[in-house]
Amino acid sequence: NAGVTQTPKFQVLKTGQSMTLQCAQDMNHEYMSWYRQDPGMGLRLIHYSVGAGITDQGEVPNGYNVSRSTTEDFPLRLLSAAPSQTSVYFCASSDLGIPETQYFGPGTRLLVL
Amino acid sequence: GENVEQHPSTLSVQEGDSAVIKCTYSDSASNYFPWYKQELGKRPQLIIDIRSNVGEKKDQRIAVTLNKTAKHFSLHITETQPEDSAVYFCAATRNYGGSQGNLIFGKGTKLSVKP
Repeated sequence: NAGVTQTPKFQVLKTGQSMTLQCAQDMNHEYMSWYRQDPGMGLRLIHYSVGAGITDQGEVPNGYNVSRSTTEDFPLRLLSAAPSQTSVYFCASSDLGIPETQYFGPGTRLLVL
Repeated sequence: GENVEQHPSTLSVQEGDSAVIKCTYSDSASNYFPWYKQELGKRPQLIIDIRSNVGEKKDQRIAVTLNKTAKHFSLHITETQPEDSAVYFCAATRNYGGSQGNLIFGKGTKLSVKP
């Protein structure tokens, strides 16, 4: 199993550009989530999903959209990038039957100029 | 909603000493408390966790204690080694049956172990 994968590893955007961060998992996990990590702020939940077709907002959802068309994929879309969205983004997944163990992807480092 | 406070933000110890990181939580319904270790440039990885029906859990040099009355839990690392140097995050959530609760993270503790 590849576990949780994320692409790209690093991205530079200009203010106002849009892009999609990809996340995929091959563990058949129902729960998937997106976090952003900023220095001194820990990990903050952006959006999450408890299954295909179901998404909900986390702590810091503004400026981001998600969709969950399949169990495996959970892309995060930045509609109009802002410098405040410069961060490291982590995707995570877990099994609803064993909800505690969340597996994180390797992260995407995003720089918005 | 849940709020998790973590202290200290930085911790420096000599190799072989013990390290203790403390977290408090606000939601008395939280029943699951994991600890993650994140090395520089890497993803967070689960190192130990504890559920609300247990007061203490050990795994080799790592232990976690939980005080439900006071709503705080702590990570204890004994005989620290340089490879323990990393950022440690605590988290809290409530899970009931097949219902998934979202993890709320503390802001992290940067542990430095000096040889």
